[in-house]
Amino acid sequence: EIVMTQSPATLSVSPGETATLSCRASQSVSSSLAWYQQKPGQAPRLLIYGASTRATGIPARFRGSGSGTEFTLTISGLQSEDFAVYYCQQYNNWPRTFGQGTKVEIK
Amino acid sequence: QVQLQESGPGLVKPSGTLSLTCAVSGGSISTTNWWSWVRQPPGKGLEWIGEIYQSGSTNYNPSLKSRVTISVDKSKNQFSLNLISVTAADTAIYYCARDAIAVAGSYSDYWGQGTLVAVSS
Repeated sequence: EIVMTQSPATLSVSPGETATLSCRASQSVSSSLAWYQQKPGQAPRLLIYGASTRATGIPARFRGSGSGTEFTLTISGLQSEDFAVYYCQQYNNWPRTFGQGTKVEIK
Repeated sequence: QVQLQESGPGLVKPSGTLSLTCAVSGGSISTTNWWSWVRQPPGKGLEWIGEIYQSGSTNYNPSLKSRVTISVDKSKNQFSLNLISVTAADTAIYYCARDAIAVAGSYSDYWGQGTLVAVSS
């Protein structure tokens, strides 16, 4: 099983600033990496797939990068609706595995 | 737009069977997609349970494989999850999702709202 490790666990950021979230895979997952956003009481929402392709309707301030074992989600100009928990998931191998999540909170 | 809706008992007794159904609307289940189940214990992270294709082909998380069955009913445009011999550790919000097929693998692009299932006597 591929272990996905996200850092940091919590990120405190002021509105308008940039948040940088990291995700590391225990072995290469090529570009088969997705990012999801989850707000309290809601289902996860797909943000990024293929490591860097934004899903339909996702604003350009969300940018995914990386390949292999190291991935980054960058959120530029944080807006109030962006404060949430973010999960990475690899889908290159079975079982699909998620990181433990990074909570982006208001500083 | 595809919509998914989970349904099933919100309370299951220990050693019993957890059974959930995911109704798909706004699209056919007989498309080139996988259909999956993901769960989330209260206050914790996401765990992939397994997936099914319209043909009935399945993939399961090895950690649950001995207890889980996912099936599809194309006539009702829905798919289901059965988890046997449940314990309190199976208490979670259960999500169903549609998975888009990528160059390699598949990712969840549409999600149901989730349903909380508690295991308790």
